[in-house]
Amino acid sequence: AQKITQTQPGMFVQEKEAVTLDCTYDTSDQSYGLFWYKQPSSGEMIFLIYQGSYDEQNATEGRYSLNFQKARKSANLVISASQLGDSAMYFCAMREGQGGSYIPTFGRGTSLIVHP
Amino acid sequence: AAGVIQSPRHLIKEKRETATLKCYPIPRHDTVYWYQQGPGQDPQFLISFYEKMQSDKGSIPDRFSAQQFSDYHSELNMSSLELGDSALYFCASSDALHRHEQYFGPGTRLTVT
Repeated sequence: AQKITQTQPGMFVQEKEAVTLDCTYDTSDQSYGLFWYKQPSSGEMIFLIYQGSYDEQNATEGRYSLNFQKARKSANLVISASQLGDSAMYFCAMREGQGGSYIPTFGRGTSLIVHP
Repeated sequence: AAGVIQSPRHLIKEKRETATLKCYPIPRHDTVYWYQQGPGQDPQFLISFYEKMQSDKGSIPDRFSAQQFSDYHSELNMSSLELGDSALYFCASSDALHRHEQYFGPGTRLTVT
């Protein structure tokens, strides 16, 4: 079974608008971490935001926020005030377990295109 | 701020040749991770090292090997290259206090012809 599901292969948004990228996850662990990475066309992977399963508040980093709904097992990324430079692939990832391995499993990604 | 450095950035090899990819982690980062990302695919974890010892192993083929050196840089050695090895190879690093924050390098794009 897929551990990370990103159901939106592609998304379009107008510049300056907000956009939500969906991510659902599957785990039986109580302790886990959720990540979002951005991959522009140049190829590098850029760490955006992290949410721990025990974190009570949603993580925020500048224009990025993670809408963490534990009961629904969802960890959607919200980008406020989209910019043209936000056009990229976005990967949701999860690290399971407490301690030990910190190896994330990635979803298939969502391609975001920001229109002027 | 210093980032993860990978070299070379691009590499073209023929089938059955060998390749060595290098990774220089962010200063004071003690853990290095290697990932392979095929065209249109998500990154797949290969192997990781903590304090020069292998810490986790993923879907790394037996034809590949890796190590971390005393200065914490790491090398991924790939032998008997196959066409399917063509991919973007990422190195990431993290430190002991922030294991969940893996910072990726720019990647090495390997093309096997």
